[in-house]
Amino acid sequence: EDQVTQSPEALRLQEGESSSLNCSYTVSGLRGLFWYRQDPGKGPEFLFTLYSAGEEKEKERLKATLTKKESFLHITAPKPEDSATYLCAVRETSGSRLTFGEGTQLTVNP
Amino acid sequence: NAGVTQTPKFRVLKTGQSMTLLCAQDMNHEYMYWYRQDPGMGLRLIHYSVGEGTTAKGEVPDGYNVSRLKKQNFLLGLESAAPSQTSVYFCASKEPNTDTQYFGPGTRLTVL
Repeated sequence: EDQVTQSPEALRLQEGESSSLNCSYTVSGLRGLFWYRQDPGKGPEFLFTLYSAGEEKEKERLKATLTKKESFLHITAPKPEDSATYLCAVRETSGSRLTFGEGTQLTVNP
Repeated sequence: NAGVTQTPKFRVLKTGQSMTLLCAQDMNHEYMYWYRQDPGMGLRLIHYSVGEGTTAKGEVPDGYNVSRLKKQNFLLGLESAAPSQTSVYFCASKEPNTDTQYFGPGTRLTVL
């Protein structure tokens, strides 16, 4: 059974204080790992897809990386508008479902 | 191009009442999904569809039914609502080339 564990559950940063969020996964074969951002009262918003170990993708202050067992979402010099819950999900090679982690709630204080 | 839309945004039901949640997408996607999101549980798949006229069970299908009569619409029904179905419901559709799922804004359902 696919498993996705995100840590920490919650993270408070000061504006400009860089940090990383972790997503550990267990799948029989990885077809893709997805990162989403979710603001309160809204649906998840797609950020990145990573397909193979060693792959990296960047968008503004966010950078996602992937190894064979985990993914990191690095946040460089965060701003208050980066405050949100960040969700990680995996899709295995068979089937069409995503398995989601419980998310990391990020708060960036000015 | 509205993406994925959901109606209604909010609903309060009494135990035993029925209702239907509507999801619509204008991206011509074949695959569509219904999830529920509960505190401490993450997003869990209820039912999904791989194309018009098809449906399949997800992780937590009990108490729900779905229909996909048109490619752009995916309906989620609750025949006899229970307090355990109080949740936020999200619909998503999948882009075929990248497997990326795009989500709607959600429906917050409370069952008293």
